[in-house]
Order: sequence, then C-alpha cells, then structure tokens
Amino acid sequence: EVQLVESGGGLVQPGGSPRLSCGASGFSFSTYSMSWVRQAPGKGLEWVSAISGGGATTYYADSVKGRFTISRDNSKNTLYLQMSSLRAEDTAVYYCAIGGYCTSTACRGRFDSWGQGTLVTVSS
Amino acid sequence: QSALTQPRSVSGSPGQSVTISCTGTSSDVGDYNYVSWYQQHPGKAPKLMIYDVSQRPSGVPDRFSGSKSGNTASLTISGLQAEDEADYYCCSYAGRNTWVFGGGTKLTVL
Repeated sequence: EVQLVESGGGLVQPGGSPRLSCGASGFSFSTYSMSWVRQAPGKGLEWVSAISGGGATTYYADSVKGRFTISRDNSKNTLYLQMSSLRAEDTAVYYCAIGGYCTSTACRGRFDSWGQGTLVTVSS
Repeated sequence: QSALTQPRSVSGSPGQSVTISCTGTSSDVGDYNYVSWYQQHPGKAPKLMIYDVSQRPSGVPDRFSGSKSGNTASLTISGLQAEDEADYYCCSYAGRNTWVFGGGTKLTVL
C-alpha cells in the first residue's frame, strides 16, 4: 500500500525557513517523480514544485521560485521542501504527491497518491 | 497561470447525474490531454478520480467519467450517492512542467 507521510509543519515567523519532509513507502520511490501541492485555509489547491525520480530536474511555481527548494533522498525514500523567506500568503497545508512531471518523451500527468498534509502557519 | 474556472457549487439528488465544468485556455486544457480530477472530503487529502481527461484509476467507480471539448473539461457523476458529496478540483498541465488547478466545486447531494 502506498503511504506518504508529511512532517515539519508548524507555526513559523515571517521570513522563517522550515524544511518539510515526506516519507514514502509501498512503491519504488526512486522511479517516480514527486510534487508538492498546497492548500491555503478554505481555498483551492495550488501546485508548488516537482522533481524527477532521480532528483536531477526540478520545477517551481512562480509564486515560490527562488524561495523554495525541492529535493529528495532516494536512499531514505524521502522528499523534502526547503522553504525560505516565508510570507503570510504561504500559510497552507502542504501535501506531497506522486507524479506531476513531464519530459519530452513521457508525462505522468496526474497526482496519483497524496499524503495527509502538514500545516504551515506563517505568523508573528 | 490563472486558475481554471469551475462553478463554485453544484447539487443533485441521489440517483441523478451532475456535471462539473472546468474551463481553461488554449495554453492548458485546450493544448494538452493531461486533465485530471480530484475529490476532497472535508479535512482529508485529495483523491485522484480521473486522469488523462477520461481515464479512471483502479478502484474508482465507473459512475465517474471525464471528457473534454476545446478549452473546457467536464466531470460527470452518474447515479449520485451520498458519499459523493465533496469538493472536486480539476487540474491541467500548462506546459514547461507547470500545473494549474481549478478553484474547486462543492457538490451537494440533496
């Protein structure tokens, strides 16, 4: 059974730099692209970032580019999101999900499985 | 990119069918067949219901179907059941490995 478990959320001051983690099990982690998707309280879903299976290629939404860094450790089956220069508008539940990555020859054009999410609240 | 446009709410009685629309542009929905739909119950994570416009993952009832015409994708739920009451989100590939979601539609089963 696929399991994705996020951690690292909490109350963070504006300008803070937390790191989110997503532990994966039940599938061959290194062969799948992974993404982060967030949801502000009472709002819709917003794609944040994606990373290839090997970790060499990354993509970001304009809203987080230059402030967030996605990475993965395939030896630990773990996905990360290093966040920095946090703003109030970054307050959201952050979900990790399988998929959301396209190359010139193949595309996993969906987010197959999702974790339960971790809430990041940016406030002083 | 701007969010895809969905109706804020739809409703139907048990056994009826409802359709949720998702309107984008020629740069996302109209240009790629990577439209997916997600069901989200309150306080829960989203669940993939439809991918690649009309494909159903294993385990998703065939009451759920998807289609696309031009810049608009649609999710149809037939034979409505009480447990279908949830928020539904569409998502489309928007090029250069970016993704855009719809604003979400609240489905009420009367």
